[in-house]
Amino acid sequence: KNQVEQSPQSLIILEGKNCTLQCNYTVSPFSNLRWYKQDTGRGPVSLTIMTFSENTKSNGRYTATLDADTKQSSLHITASQLSDSASYICVVSELYDYKLSFGAGTTVTVRA
Amino acid sequence: DTAVSQTPKYLVTQMGNDKSIKCEQNLGHDTMYWYKQDSKKFLKIMFSYNNKELIINETVPNRFSPKSPDKAHLNLHINSLELGDSAVYFCASSQSGTAYNQPQHFGDGTRLSIL
Repeated sequence: KNQVEQSPQSLIILEGKNCTLQCNYTVSPFSNLRWYKQDTGRGPVSLTIMTFSENTKSNGRYTATLDADTKQSSLHITASQLSDSASYICVVSELYDYKLSFGAGTTVTVRA
Repeated sequence: DTAVSQTPKYLVTQMGNDKSIKCEQNLGHDTMYWYKQDSKKFLKIMFSYNNKELIINETVPNRFSPKSPDKAHLNLHINSLELGDSAVYFCASSQSGTAYNQPQHFGDGTRLSIL
């Protein structure tokens, strides 16, 4: 069973609207949680990295939250733009290890 | 100036052939990675090198052999290609290991298709 689960699998929103993506993980001991954006045909690009002590981190219109107690994270996209259409991947790093556990991603489609 | 560059971008070849994918990073990073992304878009780590030393070697068939001539390059050689090897292969780099909160920088992938 994958240690990082993302929901929903995909969603469609209208331009200008907000949306929230969810990530639940079981990785332990926890080191950090990352959100990546992957445009079609491109490699993933890092949006945020949060450690155990961080509850929220923003990168422009992207805001990530982390609850390390419940092992949940969310990525909120504000005032969506057509360029936000992409796959968003949640990745969790284990403490004292080099490995990363990847979620399957949420595909976001923004329509005009 | 591309930070992490992979060549070729597309690779179409027949089953049984041997092929190589090259990766170079100009970010001065110590750690480099190879990932495989299957048709379901799921990324899986294959290998990681830190300063030319292998630090991650997941359960990958020994037909796959990484080579790091220096810390700016990590190449992937695949022997006796099989249909199941068809996927997108991503190279990435980071300043240090991923346990240390450093972002990874990815190349744009090599799309490998086996006929």
